[in-house]
Amino acid sequence: GDSVTQMEGPVTLSEEAFLTINCTYTATGYPSLFWYVQYPGEGLQLLLKATKADDKGSNKGFEATYRKETTSFHLEKGSVQVSDSAVYFCALHILTGGGNKLTFGTGTQLKVEL
Amino acid sequence: GAGVSQTPSNKVTEKGKYVELRCDPISGHTALYWYRQSLGQGPEFLIYFQGTGAADDSGLPNDRFFAVRPEGSVSTLKIQRTERGDSAVYLCASSFSPSAADTQYFGPGTRLTVL
Repeated sequence: GDSVTQMEGPVTLSEEAFLTINCTYTATGYPSLFWYVQYPGEGLQLLLKATKADDKGSNKGFEATYRKETTSFHLEKGSVQVSDSAVYFCALHILTGGGNKLTFGTGTQLKVEL
Repeated sequence: GAGVSQTPSNKVTEKGKYVELRCDPISGHTALYWYRQSLGQGPEFLIYFQGTGAADDSGLPNDRFFAVRPEGSVSTLKIQRTERGDSAVYLCASSFSPSAADTQYFGPGTRLTVL
């Protein structure tokens, strides 16, 4: 079945450090790929998405490129801030037949310290 | 505009009891989804509605779980004979259409605790 694997956390970084959170997927067909973020005490929010191979999603300084050859969608940010502290979820979506759902990874907690 | 709302925000019940969780999607969104998130895990799909009908209920864990959306807007997730293993945060999401191009917007969730 379809699945998403992302690096375990927590990831602890100093402010202004470079961030990479790895995400790989297994899917039958051609999924769309997403990063969702959950800030403390808040609901899940879409951070960015890419719907086909080689697309780059970007938002709030975060980027991720859909790499079909490596089945990956790694999240990157050049300079993190304390306000980026949250849990990040990688997810895929395939619409096939009657099915329509997001399949999520287990989440990676990011802590950014001054 | 208003986002997805869920009530109650917290629900504590005893093993064996019946519970109902409510979801109010964003107005005009035809697709509605229920997910369950256990501690330290990502959300897991339960059921998807397109309009009034359940188009995919493959994620419902067993026949104690049931969901309805009678008028194509508000949805209720119903759990019979609750078990301690049902304790989790139940998330509702809605999107304008089922297309992957349309973002799924999530509600704040209902935290269910079964004692």
